[in-house]
Amino acid sequence: GAVVSQHPSWVICKSGTSVKIECRSLDFQATTMFWYRQFPKQSLMLMATSNEGSKATYEQGVEKDKFLINHASLTLSTLTVTSAHPEDSSFYICSARDLEGLSYNEQFFGPGTRLTVL
Amino acid sequence: AQSVTQPDIHITVSEGASLELRCNYSYGATPYLFWYVQSPGQGLQLLLKYFSGDTLVQGIKGFEAEFKRSQSSFNLRKPSVHWSDAAEYFCAVGAARSTDKLIFGTGTRLQVFP
Repeated sequence: GAVVSQHPSWVICKSGTSVKIECRSLDFQATTMFWYRQFPKQSLMLMATSNEGSKATYEQGVEKDKFLINHASLTLSTLTVTSAHPEDSSFYICSARDLEGLSYNEQFFGPGTRLTVL
Repeated sequence: AQSVTQPDIHITVSEGASLELRCNYSYGATPYLFWYVQSPGQGLQLLLKYFSGDTLVQGIKGFEAEFKRSQSSFNLRKPSVHWSDAAEYFCAVGAARSTDKLIFGTGTRLQVFP
């Protein structure tokens, strides 16, 4: 149980285009999903917290107009990188918290999406 | 300030040897503690977690960790390492109930030699 998927697993795009990444909880409902960014050989950096039906909360320094997050249902959150540039190339990982989980603060992670902007 | 420190950036061990990965945290409230493992190009897999109770926690793949409040540590151990354990290991801390955020350490890369 508690499986989180991401699509696509990797994407290559041209500079200036927008890219959408999906995060789905497959077998549970997630009121809260999180988006992280990970640079090579570095730790995860929380970008934003996404709550179903409300606006995402962005961490300090993260451009909300560039990284659009939508959490339209209890099983789906999307991250859209708008007008992508090479510096946006990174590994993006989402996680979800189980609505009915016994462990209040346990997050389940997706496999990640590798974004390369040319 | 809330933080997690993993002092060892890179550890190399021989297959069959014992392993201990260090994790120290700074947290104002009762912490929830986690260890995750990440294989190259993959997401994070939960190895084990500590919320309360017995301070020695058993996880998957033969891993265990011990919570020591007096030392603000949550070190990960395995008595005999397998080549498949080579990966990146992250320690994380979160609040009991006031916030959903996890704070991650910088990670320890484990290399296993045959």
